[in-house]
Amino acid sequence: DSGVTQTPKHLITATGQRVTLRCSPRSGDLSVYWYQQSLDQGLQFLIHYYNGEERAKGNILERFSAQQFPDLHSELNLSSLELGDSALYFCASSRPGQANTGELFFGEGSRLTVL
Amino acid sequence: KNQVEQSPQSLIILEGKNCTLQCNYTVSPFSNLRWYKQDTGRGPVSLTIMTFSENTKSNGRYTATLDADTKQSSLHITASQLSDSASYICVVIRMDSSYKLIFGSGTRLLVRP
Repeated sequence: DSGVTQTPKHLITATGQRVTLRCSPRSGDLSVYWYQQSLDQGLQFLIHYYNGEERAKGNILERFSAQQFPDLHSELNLSSLELGDSALYFCASSRPGQANTGELFFGEGSRLTVL
Repeated sequence: KNQVEQSPQSLIILEGKNCTLQCNYTVSPFSNLRWYKQDTGRGPVSLTIMTFSENTKSNGRYTATLDADTKQSSLHITASQLSDSASYICVVIRMDSSYKLIFGSGTRLLVRP
């Protein structure tokens, strides 16, 4: 158990809909990262938050947005869903001051299926 | 361009055999390199970190090497077990920039009985 909690574990929805994925980082971790992993693909970086502020953006679509709240949990909002958005969405957190070590603690992921 | 390439893409070996996974990178400036193991449908878990000055580091049956001059790393698995079946991801950490982690696409290892 990494200590990072993601909900829901599984989600099935229809094209055009909107969903929200939630992540609670490990206690004491200020950074939250979101990644998308499509079937048999590598991890694609979406966005990084640090203590409530956006720090870096990757290949995140305009239909997707995220935020980190004062209690440090984060939400990833996916709207106008398309079939190609079906994927595993991972959240990861890291300890303060450990950015250079690359040590991320990943949650178990949220599996999104768009029908 | 900052890239991390892993080979092979996939590998099948028999239980008890050894194998070596490769990671080549063009990331600069280099800070560290980390290997992750990802079981199917699970989140990746860190196996080991290699800093610029380290050549070899072992973690049980896993041994990682780093050649910073040629920008290559390898992960050697000894006496493979069925539980080693997973994807192994090489991540290179950049020294600068706001986002520092460059992920490889991974090598998918299947260990057969």
